[in-house]
Amino acid sequence: GAVVSQHPSRVICKSGTSVKIECRSLDFQATTMFWYRQFPKQSLMLMATSNEGSKATYEQGVEKDKFLINHASLTLSTLTVTSAHPEDSSFYICSAKGGPGANVLTFGAGSRLTVL
Amino acid sequence: RKEVEQDPGPFNVPEGATVAFNCTYSNSASQSFFWYRQDCRKEPKLLMSVYSSGNEDGRFTAQLNRASQYISLLIRDSKLSDSATYLCVVNRQGEGGADGLTFGKGTHLIIQP
Repeated sequence: GAVVSQHPSRVICKSGTSVKIECRSLDFQATTMFWYRQFPKQSLMLMATSNEGSKATYEQGVEKDKFLINHASLTLSTLTVTSAHPEDSSFYICSAKGGPGANVLTFGAGSRLTVL
Repeated sequence: RKEVEQDPGPFNVPEGATVAFNCTYSNSASQSFFWYRQDCRKEPKLLMSVYSSGNEDGRFTAQLNRASQYISLLIRDSKLSDSATYLCVVNRQGEGGADGLTFGKGTHLIIQP
């Protein structure tokens, strides 16, 4: 089945630094990838939709200059949290559409970001 | 009204019992519905899609009531391994397929031995 690899699974950084999270579709091409954020005991919130070769579409209230998304190939999308602050600490999950179940999303394992 | 609303629980259920969750959604134009399972600190995984006619997968039965805008999930003969958070997922703005999904906060289920 479709597999999405997300890296790193955990990251701790100092306030003010930038963190990059990678999302790869391992055995299928994903023209569209999605980035979500989940705070404790909250639902997954869509941050942005990433389309290969074009600019990401950000949800209302998500700062595109703070959360940089690059989808340079059909198997890789990256999310960079720039100038991270403690309130950015969260569980970030990517998902990709494609593979055998083309209308089903496959999720990465998530990246837990802690900003000190 | 929230886009997708679920009772957060927790539901504490003895092993072997039957448990049911409901979920309501606000967008009457929604087309696609899913139940996802999320274990603690893990990513969501698709449990099953929900079809208008209702569908069953082993011990799991999902039903959709479009008139009342709710979705249900029934788990029979519950196992300890069923302990997880169950997310009700609805597509947004009437879009078909898997794009634009809105997630409920989830219902936390604890199966007790």
